[in-house]
Amino acid sequence: GQQVMQIPQYQHVQEGEDFTTYCNSSTTLSNIQWYKQRPGGHPVFLIQLVKSGEVKKQKRLTFQFGEAKKNSSLHITATQTTDVGTYFCARSIKAAGNKLTFGGGTRVLVKP
Amino acid sequence: NAGVTQTPKFQVLKTGQSMTLQCAQDMNHNSMYWYRQDPGMGLRLIYYSASEGTTDKGEVPNGYNVSRLNKREFSLRLESAAPSQTSVYFCASSERGSGPQHFGDGTRLSIL
Repeated sequence: GQQVMQIPQYQHVQEGEDFTTYCNSSTTLSNIQWYKQRPGGHPVFLIQLVKSGEVKKQKRLTFQFGEAKKNSSLHITATQTTDVGTYFCARSIKAAGNKLTFGGGTRVLVKP
Repeated sequence: NAGVTQTPKFQVLKTGQSMTLQCAQDMNHNSMYWYRQDPGMGLRLIYYSASEGTTDKGEVPNGYNVSRLNKREFSLRLESAAPSQTSVYFCASSERGSGPQHFGDGTRLSIL
């Protein structure tokens, strides 16, 4: 089926270090969205990428959309304990009525 | 500004019982969604409503029905609850189908 794969599933990061999580699709995407879900909470929208090769930054978070619009990445610099949570990418495909399909998420744990 | 409000927050049912989960949004959004999230998993779309008066099946619709009562409200009904439906249910809304989604706090449902 039309899925998005997120890697890694789990990320243990030392506080202060950088890490990257990836989102891959076998089909071309209309757009990609990223969400963060804190433990016990609900998903919160972070960013939407629409253009090929697009890069957007939010403080220590850098989001990138691949040139072929089939993959995306989230890079976090100088990880803090507040970054703990699960990061989901969600893809939208025009042919599927623009519904969002969520990836399985990357669960981030931060070691102080 | 409440955003997306879900009721109830917690519920325990016995197998075979029926129940309706309520969702209301005050952002004048056109599209509304119901997802389920199983422990350690991503979000799976149950049903969605692209606009008032329309509903469509998502990835896992079996065992559920929905009603888009008006532009604000979108309810999810379990006619005969089964243990496999134990999950956290999230309602979400967006201005348009491919736009950012805003989530409610979720309903934690256990079926014994």
